[in-house]
Amino acid sequence: AQKVTQAQTEISVVEKEDVTLDCVYETRDTTYYLFWYKQPPSGELVFLIRRNSFDEQNEISGRYSWNFQKSTSSFNFTITASQVVDSAVYFCALSGITGGGNKLTFGTGTQLKVEL
Amino acid sequence: DARVTQTPRHKVTEMGQEVTMRCQPILGHNTVFWYRQTMMQGLELLAYFRNRAPLDDSGMPKDRFSAEMPDATLATLKIQPSEPRDSAVYFCASGLVWQANTEAFFGQGTRLTVV
Repeated sequence: AQKVTQAQTEISVVEKEDVTLDCVYETRDTTYYLFWYKQPPSGELVFLIRRNSFDEQNEISGRYSWNFQKSTSSFNFTITASQVVDSAVYFCALSGITGGGNKLTFGTGTQLKVEL
Repeated sequence: DARVTQTPRHKVTEMGQEVTMRCQPILGHNTVFWYRQTMMQGLELLAYFRNRAPLDDSGMPKDRFSAEMPDATLATLKIQPSEPRDSAVYFCASGLVWQANTEAFFGQGTRLTVV
């Protein structure tokens, strides 16, 4: 069984602060993929990043960075110098080869509020 | 700009009525997912298809929900009869699966309200 835990339900920061969203996962698959999605107030789910289980290199994309640590089963997401436009719900998700098929299992999401 | 298209965007219906939601996946994608999002349950996987064949619909209430892919450009999710507890946002997503790499792109969702 796959499970994704996002323990932070809601985070509020002031603009320009750095913020880290935590994600812990469980899987029995040896090959799996981790994802982050953003859901802005408009409601659509926007794909942000995918990482595979055999590549623990951290990734940076502009103000976004991701820290994948297999030893702690975590895939944390950091936004540097947050902006009001970053306000959204962020979902961590996991996909693995289970039962011959793949499916995305989502965490419960973290609501990020960035205020002026 | 390729995207997943869902119709309708909003649907209000009376309890007991049939509801059909449609999804046009991104051209060339061979995997289609249906998710339901509610405040209480979050994002739940209802069903998914690969190459139009259903792979897993264990998340779907079988007595009233059905999902099909009549062709590669159309996926449907039907609820009959609808109940107030079905009120949710239903998302369709598509992806190109290659060696278990499931990167799914989501539509804008159908907000269903059953009164």
